[in-house]
Amino acid sequence: ETGVTQTPRHLVMGMTNKKSLKCEQHLGHNAMYWYKQSAKKPLELMFVYSLEERVENNSVPSRFSPECPNSSHLFLHLHTLQPEDSALYLCASSRGQGASGYGYTFGSGTRLTVV
Amino acid sequence: ELKVEQNPLFLSMQEGKNYTIYCNYSTTSDRLYWYRQDPGKSLESLFVLLSNGAVKQEGRLMASLDTKARLSTLHITAAVHDLSATYFCALRNAGGTSYGKLTFGQGTILTVHP
Repeated sequence: ETGVTQTPRHLVMGMTNKKSLKCEQHLGHNAMYWYKQSAKKPLELMFVYSLEERVENNSVPSRFSPECPNSSHLFLHLHTLQPEDSALYLCASSRGQGASGYGYTFGSGTRLTVV
Repeated sequence: ELKVEQNPLFLSMQEGKNYTIYCNYSTTSDRLYWYRQDPGKSLESLFVLLSNGAVKQEGRLMASLDTKARLSTLHITAAVHDLSATYFCALRNAGGTSYGKLTFGQGTILTVHP
């Protein structure tokens, strides 16, 4: 365990389903991130939350909807996905600008398959 | 905009050999990180380099930073199979944000074979 917990670890969903990915950290970090990692592509930053406020949305389609109800939890709500959305979705957290430590702490990821 | 480029993207090494992964970046940054990712797993922190000339070593891996050349290297000494993984460098955007956003390189897939 890294300190950042993601559930579920694996998810298979149809294109008309609605599902949610969950991320939880109790490290006292004040920023949380969603990344998408597809095969043979670099890590793509999707959303950033700082102090529970969304501060970045990198042109992510509206079928992905993030939610950060408090500083310890982050969700990614999914609906009407496409097969090309199949990927590993990674959550990360960080202490912010002043941290001198190891940057992000990543969760283990959710392997999403859209059928 | 900060751009980060790694090379090579694929590296096949023989056990016992030495090799270096390079990470070039385009604009000033004050922190550089190296991460390791095993297949299907999360990213694990390896090193953080904070200043010009910084060198960190852990086992068979050594990372260094040259801020003037905007270059970091990850040197592998006497490779063993357990080092097979994908290695990422990442830099913190020096944009004054409060949350320390990182930009990642493409990753280098390292395979060590007998």
